[in-house]
Amino acid sequence: AQKVTQAQTEISVVEKEDVTLDCVYETRDTTYYLFWYKQPPSGELVFLIRRNSFDEQNEISGRYSWNFQKSTSSFNFTITASQVVDSAVYFCALTSNSNSGYALNFGKGTSLLVTP
Amino acid sequence: DTGVSQNPRHKITKRGQNVTFRCDPISEHNRLYWYRQTLGQGPEFLTYFQNEAQLEKSRLLSDRFSAERPKGSFSTLEIQRTEQGDSAMYLCASSPVGGRSSYEQYFGPGTRLTVT
Repeated sequence: AQKVTQAQTEISVVEKEDVTLDCVYETRDTTYYLFWYKQPPSGELVFLIRRNSFDEQNEISGRYSWNFQKSTSSFNFTITASQVVDSAVYFCALTSNSNSGYALNFGKGTSLLVTP
Repeated sequence: DTGVSQNPRHKITKRGQNVTFRCDPISEHNRLYWYRQTLGQGPEFLTYFQNEAQLEKSRLLSDRFSAERPKGSFSTLEIQRTEQGDSAMYLCASSPVGGRSSYEQYFGPGTRLTVT
């Protein structure tokens, strides 16, 4: 069975600090896909990134970066120089062809609060 | 805007009533998913369609729930004889099959159901 663990329930930082959101996953599949989504107070889940299990290259997009490490089954997300608009709940998710239709398994989310 | 849309955004109903939600996916996406999200939790998979065929239903989807996707376009989710435990955010997502964005699900704004 698949499992996604986001151990940090809530994080509070001051604007301009860097913050890392942790995600640890479990799966027996050799091919799988990892995702991060952002859910602002409005409620809509916003897709941020997809990472394939066979591609361990880390990725940077502006102030966002992702560190995928298969050896530790982790897919961590770092926001550099955080801003108030980054305040949201962030979800890590996992899927593979073991999930019918590649349905997503989500973690419980990390609530990030960035204060001025 | 060609994103996923959902209606209504909010629904308050009395226990025992039937409710129906609608989702309009991104037009070229073959797969459509329904998820349920309760407070403090990540979304949980309910069911998915590939075109008009409903291919998987989660054990979370009791007999009181039914979903349709006529002609492979919009989808409806109906809950009969609502119970207070049905109160949640119901999220719809769509995904292409094949291509560079395979497996990426794009979510609508959700329908928040409150059963009194």
